[in-house]
Parts: sequence; structure tokens; C-alpha cells
Amino acid sequence: ILNVEQSPQSLHVQEGDSTNFTCSFPSSNFYALHWYRWETAKSPEALFVMTLNGDEKKKGRISATLNTKEGYSYLYIKGSQPEDSATYLCASWYSSASKIIFGSGTRLSIRP
Amino acid sequence: IAGITQAPTSQILAAGRRMTLRCTQDMRHNAMYWYRQDLGLGLRLIHYSNTAGTTGKGEVPDGYSVSRANTDDFPLTLASAVPSQTSVYFCASSEEWGSYNEQFFGPGTRLTVL
Repeated sequence: ILNVEQSPQSLHVQEGDSTNFTCSFPSSNFYALHWYRWETAKSPEALFVMTLNGDEKKKGRISATLNTKEGYSYLYIKGSQPEDSATYLCASWYSSASKIIFGSGTRLSIRP
Repeated sequence: IAGITQAPTSQILAAGRRMTLRCTQDMRHNAMYWYRQDLGLGLRLIHYSNTAGTTGKGEVPDGYSVSRANTDDFPLTLASAVPSQTSVYFCASSEEWGSYNEQFFGPGTRLTVL
């Protein structure tokens, strides 16, 4: 059974602090990892699509790294702002199943 | 530009009834997906279509069917709804099928089966 795990489940961070969280996935038959940002009452929006071991992507204050050999990705947020409050989802594609598997998300709350 | 629209926004349905959730995209994306989202679980893929005229089963297809008669529309049908199908349903699309393509999500349909 393919399982994508995210930790922590939830996180409370002071405004201005930096934070990071983890997505772990089975590395066998791995194709790509997606990160999505999901604000309350909205739809998930794509942040990054990462495919290669050692990939690093950045969008503003948010960046992500990928380790396909050990099966994990980190999402970093530098200098957290209230608008960063959201649930961050990762999802992994597998060739064996020809499908995408989502983690259950990390819910991030920024305290002003 | 609407992106992806879903209808209805929410619905309460009696068990045993038939229900079709509608999804339309105006981005001319080839691939479309249906997910369900349940508390404590990640989005789970129900069915997908990699291009008009073709569909495939996802992780949790039982009790659901889809069709893809054209590029824009991808309806999801529950032939005989059961309470375990109470969930929030999201439709998504991507430019092409495959792992390299980010997905764009609709606003969701909240379905309650009593």
C-alpha cells in the first residue's frame, strides 16, 4: 500500500519566525512530488512540482527540497506571515500505480 | 476566466438515490480528476481521465462512475448513494496527464448522504 505521510499534522508559529515541515513517501517507482497550498474555504493551489533527487524550488519566501533516494521532501517558509496560514499538502506520483497519492496535510497557523 | 466550476456547491441526498456531480473546465486541459476528501485523510483519487473519451480508476472507484464525452466536462455519478459516500468532492484538471503537471482544483461539492 502506497502511503504518503506528512508531519507534523499541525503547527503554530509566531509571525516572523521561519518554519519547515516534512513529507515522507515510498521511494520505489517514484515519479514526482507535488506541493499544494490549501487555504480555508478555497481550493488547493499548486506550489511546486519536483522530480529529480536534489531538486530545490523557491517561490518568494517558500522553498522546497527533494530527496528521492530516502523518500522525503521538506517545505520551508521563511519569515512567516499571517497569509501563510493554510494546510500544505504533498502528493507523490508512482509509476507502478499510475496515480497520485496525497498526504493528509500539515495545518499551519501563524500567530500575530 | 472561470477555471474549474463544480455544481452543486452542496447537496443532501437520501441513500439509494442517484446523483451526478458536475465539473466543467475552460482551460482546455486534457486531464481531469475526481477526488474525495474525508476528515483526517488526504485527497483520494476516485477516477481520472487522461483525455476526452478515456477514463481510468483511481484509488477508491467503487460506487462511482465517470464519463468524458468532451474536453470540458467530467461528471461523476453515484448510481445508488450510500452514507459512506458523504464527503467533499473535488474536481481537478491538468494540462496533460502525468506526474509533471500541476493540478488545478475546483471549489468542491459537499455531499451528505442520509
